[in-house]
Amino acid sequence: DGGITQSPKYLFRKEGQNVTLSCEQNLNHDAMYWYRQDPGQGLRLIYYSQIVNDFQKGDIAEGYSVSREKKESFPLTVTSAQKNPTAFYLCASTPDRQFSNQPQHFGDGTRLSIL
Amino acid sequence: AQSVAQPEDQVNVAEGNPLTVKCTYSVSGNPYLFWYVQYPNRGLQFLLKYITGDNLVKGSYGFEAEFNKSQTSFHLKKPSALVSDSALYFCAVRDSSSASKIIFGSGTRLSIRP
Repeated sequence: DGGITQSPKYLFRKEGQNVTLSCEQNLNHDAMYWYRQDPGQGLRLIYYSQIVNDFQKGDIAEGYSVSREKKESFPLTVTSAQKNPTAFYLCASTPDRQFSNQPQHFGDGTRLSIL
Repeated sequence: AQSVAQPEDQVNVAEGNPLTVKCTYSVSGNPYLFWYVQYPNRGLQFLLKYITGDNLVKGSYGFEAEFNKSQTSFHLKKPSALVSDSALYFCAVRDSSSASKIIFGSGTRLSIRP
């Protein structure tokens, strides 16, 4: 079945450590997105990408980095500069151009916690 | 600037009763509107959308939503609630007339009691 796979499901970060969250899709979608979800705040956009080797900052990009070397993969790195990384991270995709009238498909998320 | 509001953090309904989850929005042009549902420790699942046309939109799992342009609302409804409808619901909006991003509401937790 087509979908978005996020791994790992749970991740723990030590102080000063960078961690990378994986997002893979086999939907052949062009656009991919990363969101952060905190209780009571809905989803906030971190980064998004329309095509390979191109991506744009969202509303809360500081302390995060991404790459888009392959169409199906959009990994997110949470760097040590992100001082409050504890959150639920969601990856999503849409078939065509970014933020079209098509609904987003979501993965099942990665929960990141600080040790 | 565009925005979306879900005024209720939680909605409690008895099983079998009708339910409504409220959403209001603000955009400069015409809106694209979406409803998603999230179960614990899962991603969001698409329920329905309004792009243009009929103001009453029908979606998955018996849900529907009514687009009201004058009240800038897009409330989610279901005639008869099920316990399995208990989840977190998100409304989202995008301004169709600009290269804008999708904005999500803060979410409403729906609790259906048996």
